[in-house]
Amino acid sequence: ETGVTQSPTHLIKTRGQQVTLRCSSQSGHNTVSWYQQALGQGPQFIFQYYREEENGRGNFPPRFSGLQFPNYSSELNVNALELDDSALYLCASSPATSGTYNEQFFGPGTRLTVL
Amino acid sequence: AQSVAQPEDQVNVAEGNPLTVKCTYSVSGNPYLFWYVQYPNRGLQFLLKYITGDNLVKGSYGFEAEFNKSQTSFHLKKPSALVSDSALYFCAVREPGGFKTIFGAGTRLFVKA
Repeated sequence: ETGVTQSPTHLIKTRGQQVTLRCSSQSGHNTVSWYQQALGQGPQFIFQYYREEENGRGNFPPRFSGLQFPNYSSELNVNALELDDSALYLCASSPATSGTYNEQFFGPGTRLTVL
Repeated sequence: AQSVAQPEDQVNVAEGNPLTVKCTYSVSGNPYLFWYVQYPNRGLQFLLKYITGDNLVKGSYGFEAEFNKSQTSFHLKKPSALVSDSALYFCAVREPGGFKTIFGAGTRLFVKA
């Protein structure tokens, strides 16, 4: 069974640029959530995708967007990067959607640095 | 609105001693509660969860947690700490029927040999 993988591992961008982060879900999982973890803080929920549709969003502006593909892999896109976007971005998959008590399986994260 | 508080930034314990990492929560209705652990430069790993039933939940690596509804707490415990338990621990809560998992700020556990 393959776990959750994320790419790239590290990324450096400058303010105003756009970035795309990628995630492959654990086999058999159809729900993907993305989190932003700033240094010294807990993960903050960005959004969740279930069967290629966004079905929940946290307090993040529209310049944070995503996609989920038929194979349940996912992308997180961030436009007009700001310095405060520097963080570890975590992808987590689970076997079902909201309203359930399933735990999430996290990838190792992508460390984004915005200069 | 749901929230999670981990009142201690850091917990220090000697190897072989019992450990407790504290967590309190605020949520409408009966919560789903989780503990995750994060090692350096790694993603989060699931330890245990409380859904319903017995207030004492047992999880991975000898960890357990006690759900206390009246105190809205879900403290993580281990009878005998190991140096390898040193890591960052996160408590999380989700409302039944909700899509969002809310994490606490984390507690760093140091176990000294």
